[in-house]
Amino acid sequence: EDKVVQSPLSLVVHEGDTVTLNCSYEVTNFRSLLWYKQEKKAPTFLFMLTSSGIEKKSGRLSSILDKKELFSILNITATQTGDSAVYLCAVGAGGYNKLIFGAGTRLAVHP
Amino acid sequence: NAGVMQNPRHLVRRRGQEARLRCSPMKGHSHVYWYRQLPEEGLKFMVYLQKENIIDESGMPKERFSAEFPKEGPSILRIQQVVRGDSAAYFCASSPGLEGTEAFFGQGTRLTVV
Repeated sequence: EDKVVQSPLSLVVHEGDTVTLNCSYEVTNFRSLLWYKQEKKAPTFLFMLTSSGIEKKSGRLSSILDKKELFSILNITATQTGDSAVYLCAVGAGGYNKLIFGAGTRLAVHP
Repeated sequence: NAGVMQNPRHLVRRRGQEARLRCSPMKGHSHVYWYRQLPEEGLKFMVYLQKENIIDESGMPKERFSAEFPKEGPSILRIQQVVRGDSAAYFCASSPGLEGTEAFFGQGTRLTVV
């Protein structure tokens, strides 16, 4: 059965800290791995990764995929209170955009 | 270009009633996905539709749940004879269907069964 596992499930840090969120997966017909940020509403798209070893960056966020070891990490540097959210990892498998989601990592950034 | 539009945002139904959730995909998107999110859990795939076709409904319960995406109008997720366990957030996502493109999510409909 396809599965996506995220760790840790929750994380509490202070502003300015750097955090690393983990996502491992076991799926057939892997197509892509996506990261979303969810703040009590719609998941908002962060990154889509399809190739190993190529880091994607957007401001203080970055992510990389390892297709050999079947995992991805999401890094957030110099965290701010606005980064507090649930971060969802999803894997696209099969011939279309069906996504298999992990349970999410709940990040709380305190002032 | 408006995003994925879902309505209603909140829906309260008594046990045994029917719930209808609507999703209008982004302009130019012909692929719609429905996901359910139970409290404190990740999103679970329910069904994937293209215009007038159900492509994959492997995540949808066999009874009481149905989905459609007509040629004209929004996609509808219908839940008949709702039970308390149906209380959840239901998210719709759309994509243009091109390989390598991401899906964009609507704001969701929060269904509460009382």
